[in-house]
Amino acid sequence: EVQLVESGGGLVQPGGSLRLSCAASGFRFSTYWMRWVRQAPGKGLEWVANIDEDGSEKYYVDSVKGRFTISRDNAKNALYLQMNSLRAEDTAVYYCARASFWAFDIWGQGTMVTVSS
Amino acid sequence: QSALTQPPSASGSPGQSVTISCTGTSSDVGGYNYVSWYQQHPGKAPKLMIYEVTKRPSGVPDRFSGSKSGNTASLTVSGLQAEDEADYYCNSHAGSNNFVFGTGTKVTVL
Repeated sequence: EVQLVESGGGLVQPGGSLRLSCAASGFRFSTYWMRWVRQAPGKGLEWVANIDEDGSEKYYVDSVKGRFTISRDNAKNALYLQMNSLRAEDTAVYYCARASFWAFDIWGQGTMVTVSS
Repeated sequence: QSALTQPPSASGSPGQSVTISCTGTSSDVGGYNYVSWYQQHPGKAPKLMIYEVTKRPSGVPDRFSGSKSGNTASLTVSGLQAEDEADYYCNSHAGSNNFVFGTGTKVTVL
């Protein structure tokens, strides 16, 4: 079964850091671009970041540039999102998603990140 | 990177059709045939329903169809069923491997 499982969310103070992980299974992880998408409580979806198959190309939404870093470990079938200098507006459910045909074809269940003092 | 514009809500009776619009610009929707649509039930992860404007992934009923004209894409759900009640989001490639989602539309089956 093709599956993505996120972990690492939690409560963090403004200015703090958090590292999200996404474990992939059921497909050849190393042959797919991967993405992070977030959804603030009661709000819509927002694309956050993309990474190519070998981790050499990375793209970010303007609001997280310089603060978030997307990375991957193909040997571990894992995707990561390092989030630094967190702000209240980063509070959201964070989803990892597989990229296919310029779409997001497989999604994880999400992990909640709350930035609050 | 402004969100694509969708109507906040849409509704229809069982068996009827509902069409949701997704308006962007020539830099996103109008510039690429890379529009996709997602269905999201409360508390659940989004599900891909349409990709590359008109294509349906395996397992998605043919009641769901997509189209595009200029800077506006559309999702039509024909033969509405109770389980179609959900939030729907469009998405478009916006150049330089950036993506933008729509504001979302809540579909209610009356």
